[in-house]
Formats: sequence, C-alpha cells, structure tokens
Amino acid sequence: EAGVAQSPRYKIIEKRQSVAFWCNPISGHATLYWYQQILGQGPKLLIQFQNNGVVDDSQLPKDRFSAERLKGVDSTLKIQPAKLEDSAVYLCASSYRGNQPQHFGDGTRLSIL
Amino acid sequence: KQEVTQIPAALSVPEGENLVLNCSFTDSAIYNLQWFRQDPGKGLTSLLLIQSSQREQTSGRLNASLDKSSGRSTLYIAASQPGDSATYLCASTGSGGSNYKLTFGKGTLLTVNP
Repeated sequence: EAGVAQSPRYKIIEKRQSVAFWCNPISGHATLYWYQQILGQGPKLLIQFQNNGVVDDSQLPKDRFSAERLKGVDSTLKIQPAKLEDSAVYLCASSYRGNQPQHFGDGTRLSIL
Repeated sequence: KQEVTQIPAALSVPEGENLVLNCSFTDSAIYNLQWFRQDPGKGLTSLLLIQSSQREQTSGRLNASLDKSSGRSTLYIAASQPGDSATYLCASTGSGGSNYKLTFGKGTLLTVNP
C-alpha cells in the first residue's frame, strides 16, 4: 500500500511570504493530521480532520495558518504571512479512524529567511 | 494538559550493548502509548503500541513496558546495532471523547557506535 505523500520536501521563503503544503493520505483513511515539528522538539498537532470536517484545531495559529481537506481526501496547509518562528518540519499523518495507529509522511522542511 | 518527558535527551553506546530509554507522562488517563523511530529527514515510524490495558509489547529486539499508575514507559533495545541509530519518540494518546490526540515527548537521540 502506498504511504502518506507530502510535497514539497523542502521550501525556503522569506518572512512575510506565503507558502502551502500538500498531503495525500493513505487510501481509505478517514482521519488526517497536520503536525509541526520544531528542531529538537516532538511533533505538535496543528489540526485534525475527520473526512472533510475539523475535529481539533485548538493549536493552529488561525491568524496566519489555514488548512482544508476538500472532498475528504487530499489536504493543504497554508501559512500567510510566514514568521521566522514557523521554521520547522510539517508532518502529515493519516489513520483509518481516529483511534487507529497513525501513519506519517516524510514531511516538508520549511526554512524562513 | 498532558506532558510527556523523555530521558535521556541523547545516548551514545557501543554496538552490542543493551539499553533502556525512558518516558514519563503526567496524565494516566491514556488510550495507548506508542514508541516511534525517526531517522534524519524522515517521518515517524511506529515501533510498538501498548494499549492502556496492557503491560508490555515486544517486537524482535525491542520491548516496551507501560506502568499507567506511575506514568512511565520504557523502551528496551537488546544487542544494539549501528542501524538502530535514530531519534526515538514516545507519545501518549488521549482518551477524551472522539479526539484521540497524540502528545509527544522531545525524543532521545540514540547513537550506536560500531
């Protein structure tokens, strides 16, 4: 079975610019997660989708971050405008249901100059 | 709010040694406890998952234990190999409602020297 696909793998932008990340979960997985992993830290959940509905976005900085999962499959995460502290790896994960093990993609490494 | 702590932050051992990684969590009302491996530039690979009703899980040279009452889990790696070098992350899954949320520790960076 194909794993969780993410693109791009790397992105370098200047502060105040915008950026978007894309995630394609494992086929049939209803639950999709976006995590932020700052260097030296464990991943932190930004947003969780169940199909195309948001389950938890309590740690998403909504003034600059947005995410959508149209049609309950692919998802995009956007940052606008980016700040220096947004430099991190953004990981996407999916699971068959919310209480099932999560499968992670390789992430997008974002550097803000 | 759940907090997960991992000790040590980094560990360097010679090949062949047995080793233990430690994880503690503040809220014992967990759904399960997972250990992940993360290689540089890669995502997370699940190694072992222990349900809240279980005490331990084993996979090959890996053994993970869970003591909910004390808020602790350990990952035991037997006969370590250079290929085991990676960051090991512990994560608890909350049991609140329909939101099974993972809370991660900061990880232990393991280096196994040939």
